[in-house]
Amino acid sequence: DIQMTQSPSSLSASVGDRVTITCRASQSISTYLNWYHQKPGKAPKLLIHAASSLQSGVPSRFSGSGSGTDFTLTISSLEPEDIATYYCQQSYSIPQTFGQGTKVGIK
Amino acid sequence: QVQLVQSGAEVRKPGASVKVSCKASGYTFTTYGISWVRQAPGQGLEWMGWISTYNDITNYAQKLQGRVTMTTDTSTTTAYMELRSLTFDDTAVYYCARANAAAGTDDYWGQGTLVTVSS
Repeated sequence: DIQMTQSPSSLSASVGDRVTITCRASQSISTYLNWYHQKPGKAPKLLIHAASSLQSGVPSRFSGSGSGTDFTLTISSLEPEDIATYYCQQSYSIPQTFGQGTKVGIK
Repeated sequence: QVQLVQSGAEVRKPGASVKVSCKASGYTFTTYGISWVRQAPGQGLEWMGWISTYNDITNYAQKLQGRVTMTTDTSTTTAYMELRSLTFDDTAVYYCARANAAAGTDDYWGQGTLVTVSS
């Protein structure tokens, strides 16, 4: 199975800050990498697919980059509604696997 | 609009089975697969498997092989996930999601179904 490792596990930032979350795959997954966020008590929501493609309806402050084994999710200017846990997911091979999550809070 | 509506919370004893349903609407059911993902309390997301709504081909997580069965009913656009021989470790919120194979994503999710295994 492909292991997905996110860092950091948690972070606190101020409203308006630039936030970066990284995700590393245990082997190359090309750009078969998705990003979701999950608010407490809610289902995950797709933000980015194919490493860098913004899902329809998602604010443009979210962006993704990377290929191979190293990927990044960036929030260009943190908003209060961005408080959530963020997960990366590889869809390169079965079983699809998720990172352990990054909890984003407001300072 | 695309919606996936899941069945309600369940409580089961160890050793029992549970069957969760996922009613899809707002799109052509057989054009997308259905993934199932679970989340134990306070934990991350765990992929359980996937079913093609077109030809019922399935892929299950190896750790669940032999205990899980995913099915669909195209006449009612409903997907089902049955998990047998439940243990306390199966206590979790179970999600269905529309699997967009072309994009390699799970792009719409159900609201989740809490399954509690308790003696």
